[in-house]
Amino acid sequence: GQNIDQPTEMTATEGAIVQINCTYQTSGFNGLFWYQQHAGEAPTFLSYNVLDGLEEKGRFSSFLSRSKGYSYLLLKELQMKDSASYLCAVRDMDDYKLSFGAGTTVTVRA
Amino acid sequence: DGGITQSPKYLFRKEGQNVTLSCEQNLNHDAMYWYRQDPGQGLRLIYYSQIVNDFQKGDIAEGYSVSREKKESFPLTVTSAQKNPTAFYLCASTWTDNTEAFFGQGTRLTVV
Repeated sequence: GQNIDQPTEMTATEGAIVQINCTYQTSGFNGLFWYQQHAGEAPTFLSYNVLDGLEEKGRFSSFLSRSKGYSYLLLKELQMKDSASYLCAVRDMDDYKLSFGAGTTVTVRA
Repeated sequence: DGGITQSPKYLFRKEGQNVTLSCEQNLNHDAMYWYRQDPGQGLRLIYYSQIVNDFQKGDIAEGYSVSREKKESFPLTVTSAQKNPTAFYLCASTWTDNTEAFFGQGTRLTVV
């Protein structure tokens, strides 16, 4: 099975940087995903990591360490529209089970 | 346009009735998933399917049933055995190689 943990809430100031951590335990790892979800909407894809290291996509970056079962999502130059829930998800190698953490609600303040 | 479609967007049912939520994708994806989301909570996996005519229980399968008779369709039935069915239901699909999962727009089910 999979056990995925991430902080419940984070608050940051517009223009700042926020790092959302995600730790996981899985019997067979086959990729880690980050999604953004605004209230009442479906999640939208942000990033994907399957190998160790940093993946950068504009203002968003994601890091993975498979040996530590650890990932983070880095949001730079925060904007008000970045206020949302950020979901960490892990896919299992054997049966493609895709499990999500409980999500981290990020509030960006002016 | 390719995509994943859930219908209806809002659904109301009386307590004790079964209800089926539709999920259709024309992306030729192999794997499909159903999740439930309660207010302020994350996504909890109900059922998932890697290929046609095969599916597995997720973490909260009790009170739900699915079928996968066609590659593009993965309907979810919420049965009367589900004790608290009011929730936001999300369907997702992906290829079985290393790619993102695409989500439908969700169905908000209210049982009265």
